[in-house]
Amino acid sequence: DAGVIQSPRHEVTEMGQEVTLRCKPISGHNSLFWYRQTMMRGLELLIYFNNNVPIDDSGMPEDRFSAKMPNASFSTLKIQPSEPRDSAVYFCASSLALGRRADQPQHFGDGTRLSIL
Amino acid sequence: AQTVTQSQPEMSVQEAETVTLSCTYDTSESDYYLFWYKQPPSRQMILVIRQEAYKQQNATENRFSVNFQKAAKSFSLKISDSQLGDAAMYFCAYKVDFGNEKLTFGTGTRLTIIP
Repeated sequence: DAGVIQSPRHEVTEMGQEVTLRCKPISGHNSLFWYRQTMMRGLELLIYFNNNVPIDDSGMPEDRFSAKMPNASFSTLKIQPSEPRDSAVYFCASSLALGRRADQPQHFGDGTRLSIL
Repeated sequence: AQTVTQSQPEMSVQEAETVTLSCTYDTSESDYYLFWYKQPPSRQMILVIRQEAYKQQNATENRFSVNFQKAAKSFSLKISDSQLGDAAMYFCAYKVDFGNEKLTFGTGTRLTIIP
């Protein structure tokens, strides 16, 4: 079975440019998560969707960040305009949420390493 | 707010020996999940083991086992017969059972395997 697929694997761009990260969750999963990993802050949740609806976006740093999930098989995380402090590894994960005492674990993609110059 | 603490930034173990990684957490919930994820240099996040808080029996997956102490809010990972491929960052993570699917991670422990 295909796991969570993220693209691109690496992205290097100039400050001020728009960056779009893409994610395809595991087929049949109903929850999708975007995490950011940095040396300073570790792994932190940015936003998650359930059945394509954003549920918790309290981790989104500021208005420059936006995330969408137009359908069950695709999500994007966009940064506009990008800044050097956005440099990090961005992970997408998906899971099957079945309710109380029945949730399945999150499976992660390989991440996108983003470098803003 | 829930917090997860890993007090050992680095650990090392001789190949074939046993090592235990520590994790403590803070929560007011009674139902939750705890996880150990492994991140090798390839930077994949790989689920190692999962524990449901309502289950008293400690989870086991082959050479990996946990010591879950609910009252003490402690969740340690034991790796038996350590292998070179076990070298990685290990992250402890917490998720409440119902209402919010967010994973809260610890800061990680870097495990080195000495041949």
